[in-house]
Amino acid sequence: GNSVTQMEGPVTLSEEAFLTINCTYTATGYPSLFWYVQYPGEGLQLLLKATKADDKGSNKGFEATYRKETTSFHLEKGSVQVSDSAVYFCALSAPGGYQKVTFGTGTKLQVIP
Amino acid sequence: SQTIHQWPATLVQPVGSPLSLECTVEGTSNPNLYWYRQAAGRGLQLLFYSVGIGQISSEVPQNLSASRPQDRQFILSSKKLLLSDSGFYLCAWSVGSSNQPQHFGDGTRLSIL
Repeated sequence: GNSVTQMEGPVTLSEEAFLTINCTYTATGYPSLFWYVQYPGEGLQLLLKATKADDKGSNKGFEATYRKETTSFHLEKGSVQVSDSAVYFCALSAPGGYQKVTFGTGTKLQVIP
Repeated sequence: SQTIHQWPATLVQPVGSPLSLECTVEGTSNPNLYWYRQAAGRGLQLLFYSVGIGQISSEVPQNLSASRPQDRQFILSSKKLLLSDSGFYLCAWSVGSSNQPQHFGDGTRLSIL
């Protein structure tokens, strides 16, 4: 079956540090890949997505590139802010069926001033 | 634009009491609808999904049930709550193919006493 593996958290960074959250996946076919962000007490919000190999998704300074050769979709940001503190979920959606999404377990990011 | 509403935001219920959580979507037609549960500090567990009125599929055996009485209304129910039903419940919708994301409500925090 499909699966998503994310790096364990929590990740603690100082403001303006560089962020990388690793994500690798296992899927049949050509899935679409997503990063979602969850702020405390809220639902998940779509952060960015990529739908085919070598696509780069970007939003709010975050980027992730769909690497089919390494089955990865690592999230990066050049300079994090305190307001980026949240839980980040990597997810995939495989073609066919009812659009079932497989989520990773989430990585908590804490940015300190 | 599309919006999703979940209520109540928080709920405290005694063991053995019934449950009804409601989710409605506006601004789209014939969405796929989903109920997830998120245990504290954990990832998302898909409970139910629906591709149309009256069509419900269950992902995990449990004492919860779901119904879709109208196109954009999704209800999560239980006749008798267990302590293990505590958690953060999220409703989501999606349309189109697998390269489209799911969109989440703000969630319901359910505590069982």
